[in-house]
Amino acid sequence: LAKTTQPISMDSYEGQEVNITCSHNNIATNDYITWYQQFPSQGPRFIIQGYKTKVTNEVASLFIPADRKSSTLSLPRVSLSDTAVYYCLVGDRPPGDLSMDTGRRALTFGSGTRLQVQP
Amino acid sequence: NAGVTQTPKFRVLKTGQSMTLLCAQDMNHEYMYWYRQDPGMGLRLIHYSVGEGTTAKGEVPDGYNVSRLKKQNFLLGLESAAPSQTSVYFCASSYGGYPLAKNIQYFGAGTRLSVL
Repeated sequence: LAKTTQPISMDSYEGQEVNITCSHNNIATNDYITWYQQFPSQGPRFIIQGYKTKVTNEVASLFIPADRKSSTLSLPRVSLSDTAVYYCLVGDRPPGDLSMDTGRRALTFGSGTRLQVQP
Repeated sequence: NAGVTQTPKFRVLKTGQSMTLLCAQDMNHEYMYWYRQDPGMGLRLIHYSVGEGTTAKGEVPDGYNVSRLKKQNFLLGLESAAPSQTSVYFCASSYGGYPLAKNIQYFGAGTRLSVL
């Protein structure tokens, strides 16, 4: 499995920059790193995806070091509405599908990081 | 633009009853997925489909069946519901193709199911 490790929870205040790091030591060549955001009572929503170096969009930035064994999601100037669970996904096959090449890592949602933004 | 639509939004079943959850997407996506999410936990893949007429098992397929007769629809069936199937069910779709890792999944709003 392409196991990822994230902090269980983080706290921040409005206006601060938040960095959430995901560890993925056994990332494979074909793997991309994808982050999703989930608000209470909603389905996850795509935030950002990257393969190497830095990716930036209107919502966040994703920093990936050269060895790709970790990645950091950066949320600039968070607001109360950024309170959510953030998931880091790494892998290249659906989890549980043993018919696929076992050399490919399972793309799974872990428990995520619960970010609480305070006023 | 509806995206991914799930019906029903809520349902209460008695143990042993059956039901079908419907997922519809209007993005012409090839891949579709069914997940379950238990309180305080991440999403676990139940079944998925890489195209019309195909289905495959995910991480936790036992007790569920699926069908993909039309490209835009993905049905999840519970033949004999059990209390352990009380959960929130999410459907997702993605454009398809390889690598799967690059696929961005678009999720529905979820179906909250309680089995008494």
